Amino acid sequence: QKEVEQDPGPLSVPEGAIVSLNCTYSNSAFQYFMWYRQYSRKGPELLMYTYSSGNKEDGRFTAQVDKSSKYISLFIRDSQPSDSATYLCAMSRSPYTGRRALTFGSGTRLQVQP
Amino acid sequence: AAGVIQSPRHLIKEKRETATLKCYPIPRHDTVYWYQQGPGQDPQFLISFYEKMQSDKGSIPDRFSAQQFSDYHSELNMSSLELGDSALYFCASSLVASTRGGAGGSYEQYFGPGTRLTVT
Repeated sequence: QKEVEQDPGPLSVPEGAIVSLNCTYSNSAFQYFMWYRQYSRKGPELLMYTYSSGNKEDGRFTAQVDKSSKYISLFIRDSQPSDSATYLCAMSRSPYTGRRALTFGSGTRLQVQP
Repeated sequence: AAGVIQSPRHLIKEKRETATLKCYPIPRHDTVYWYQQGPGQDPQFLISFYEKMQSDKGSIPDRFSAQQFSDYHSELNMSSLELGDSALYFCASSLVASTRGGAGGSYEQYFGPGTRLTVT
């Protein structure tokens, strides 16, 4: 079983919809959580970074962390066709230099229909 | 803003050949991470360097080695290439401020565009 589970989708929504992307994890050692967006054949682009449980908002994006349930979410409001991409959750264990390697979910493919 | 630079962007090699991938981190970033992403898979951590010293090691084959140089760029050397090494190789960088125990600085990792390696 993978340490980080993510529904691979694909998820297809109409333009303007609210999108909810989720990851669960099994290792309580994970403390730092990130969401990346990856377009086909491109490098992952950092969208959001969170540490504590709760919500963090940046424009149309809201990241939510529930450490007690080992569950993280990314919400996209007013989704646009340009949001069509694969969304990867990622997490790391420790603030210490030698243990910041990211463990990724498998990614969710999102398609926003015009 | 300057981003992570990787070269070459595409590389085709035959089995048993060697390959060298280069990574130039964002200016002032002191930590470099290497990840491998196979077709349809999520990125897998290979190795990282902080201030030119290896800081963490993941699922990197013994056939691969890497180092970080004095100008903070990093190279991933791959020998005896196998068909299964065909993948996208990403470099990421971050700024980890030098604090006691290395617990300071930023945790965000910024990825380069990747090098697509094809082994035939």
